[in-house]
Amino acid sequence: NAGVTQTPKFRILKIGQSMTLQCTQDMNHNYMYWYRQDPGMGLKLIYYSVGAGITDKGEVPNGYNVSRSTTEDFPLRLELAAPSQTSVYFCASSYSMGVSYSNQPQHFGDGTRLSIL
Amino acid sequence: QQPVQSPQAVILREGEDAVINCSSSKALYSVHWYRQKHGEAPVFLMILLKGGEQKGHDKISASFNEKKQQSSLYLTASQLSYSGTYFCGTGSGGGYQKVTFGIGTKLQVIP
Repeated sequence: NAGVTQTPKFRILKIGQSMTLQCTQDMNHNYMYWYRQDPGMGLKLIYYSVGAGITDKGEVPNGYNVSRSTTEDFPLRLELAAPSQTSVYFCASSYSMGVSYSNQPQHFGDGTRLSIL
Repeated sequence: QQPVQSPQAVILREGEDAVINCSSSKALYSVHWYRQKHGEAPVFLMILLKGGEQKGHDKISASFNEKKQQSSLYLTASQLSYSGTYFCGTGSGGGYQKVTFGIGTKLQVIP
């Protein structure tokens, strides 16, 4: 099993460009998440999904969009890149049979380091 | 609301013990602990659920005091491999329970 795979690993964007960060998992997890990590700030939840076709906002969703058409894939879209979106982005997944996911461990991908200049 | 971790940073010599605390202003359902090495992804250590349990494996253990809304991570006889940033994540009750992470505690173990 590959676990959670994120691509690309690194990217430099110009202000105003758009891009999609890819995330795929092969563990058949129903929950998936996108976090951003800024130095000294911990992990901030951008969006999460409880299953195919269902997504919801996290703490810092502005400037981002997501979709979940399959169990495996959860791409994150930046439409108009801004310098404030320079960060390390982590995708994670977990499995829960109930409505709560906070009682299950999250498995993280290796991250995408994004710089916007 | 983001949980508060203390200390923010600690330096240990090999073999010494450390305690990392995580506290929340909200009633907690769960506490997660993760370790992240520089440039890598966070790695799951353990989850503690409401009920005041204590968990551990090898020389790393944790406790959860739901009345005080606190958790502590105990690292005993530290090894060089313990170096990294430790994050706690807290889950609160109601609906799709989100996990909110603290800003982390940077632990460095030196020979």
